[in-house]
Amino acid sequence: DSGVTQTPKHLITATGQRVTLRCSPRSGDLSVYWYQQSLDQGLQFLIQYYNGEERAKGNILERFSAQQFPDLHSELNLSSLELGDSALYFCASSAQVTNEKLFFGSGTQLSVL
Amino acid sequence: QQQVKQSPQSLIVQKGGISIINCAYENTAFDYFPWYQQFPGKGPALLIAIRPDVSEKKEGRFTISFNKSAKQFSLHIMDSQPGDSATYFCAASISGGAQKLVFGQGTRLTINP
Repeated sequence: DSGVTQTPKHLITATGQRVTLRCSPRSGDLSVYWYQQSLDQGLQFLIQYYNGEERAKGNILERFSAQQFPDLHSELNLSSLELGDSALYFCASSAQVTNEKLFFGSGTQLSVL
Repeated sequence: QQQVKQSPQSLIVQKGGISIINCAYENTAFDYFPWYQQFPGKGPALLIAIRPDVSEKKEGRFTISFNKSAKQFSLHIMDSQPGDSATYFCAASISGGAQKLVFGQGTRLTINP
């Protein structure tokens, strides 16, 4: 068990809808990262937050947004969903702002029908 | 320049054999090279990592070999066991800041008993 909690584990929704994925980092970790894993794209970095502030941005679509709250949990919001957004979304945390020793959650499997 | 190319995509090894997975990168600014192990239904977990100031790092049955001039690094699993069957990802990043971890496409390793 990595100590990173992601909810829900599975999410099935329709095109055009909006969903929110939640992540609780390991106790004491200040950095939260979001990754998207798909068969054709592999693990793609989306965004990183450190202690409530956005620190790095990757291949995140404009329809996607994230935030980190004062209690350090993070949410990834996906809107105007398309079929191609179907993927496994991982949250990871680390103690520091640098990305060494990432601890990944078990992911949220999103299916857009 | 940000890509990390991993091979092979899949690998089958007999129990007790040596599993070898290779990765190549282009960005010479990368200075941190971790390997992650992912079991079905779980998130990736850090297995072992190396920095370019050493050519080899060993932890138990797992060894990373690093060739800075060739911009290549590889994971060797000695005495491979069925429990090692998983997907392995190499990755690279630039340390010292909020830099994204760039992952290879992954290698599905199967160890036959």
